[in-house]
Amino acid sequence: NAGVTQTPKFRILKIGQSMTLQCTQDMNHNYMYWYRQDPGMGLKLIYYSVGAGITDKGEVPNGYNVSRSTTEDFPLRLELAAPSQTSVYFCASSYQEVSMDEKLFFGSGTQLSVL
Amino acid sequence: AQKITQTQPGMFVQEKEAVTLDCTYDTSDPSYGLFWYKQPSSGEMIFLIYQGSYDQQNATEGRYSLNFQKARKSANLVISASQLGDSAMYFCAMRDKGTIRPGGYQKVTFGTGTKLQVIP
Repeated sequence: NAGVTQTPKFRILKIGQSMTLQCTQDMNHNYMYWYRQDPGMGLKLIYYSVGAGITDKGEVPNGYNVSRSTTEDFPLRLELAAPSQTSVYFCASSYQEVSMDEKLFFGSGTQLSVL
Repeated sequence: AQKITQTQPGMFVQEKEAVTLDCTYDTSDPSYGLFWYKQPSSGEMIFLIYQGSYDQQNATEGRYSLNFQKARKSANLVISASQLGDSAMYFCAMRDKGTIRPGGYQKVTFGTGTKLQVIP
């Protein structure tokens, strides 16, 4: 039972490079989220998706793009990496219909450094 | 504007004592949910407890209880009989439809966290 899988676990980028953080879940969850966590800080919502083809901005979307072509996958794209994007990135998913109490399942995180 | 506020950056508690971690929230959505997560030094996020806005009773899960005061918009986490393994970051989170785009989709936002250290 894999749950939420994120790749890669670690990555170092040079300023201006681009990359895609991968996230996949095998629980048939409709909601998926991307968060970033700066050192010693809380999680800030970047983007989220409520189902295939439907995404919406969170608190800190600038510099990122997402897509959701399938239920399972929710990749996060950084187009022009900047030092301010150095952070730990978490992907999460949950199943939501009427009930509000479905907890988030988290991936193990991607530690990204932009130098 | 910060929707979830955790005013205690760090807390100390003696082993076997109880501790309360504060959380206040702001939403105009009448239907919302409140969560607490634990993040140990290993970095994983561990779900602890959930409280719904329409729940009449405070939620409890083992040594964890949520002191829900709806009128004050507070959802404090109480950990009873603290253990050394409770040392971690604790995050309060809220699921609601948000105030930026009323009627939008539900999303989950987090507070800045409280670092709890349990002293032997």
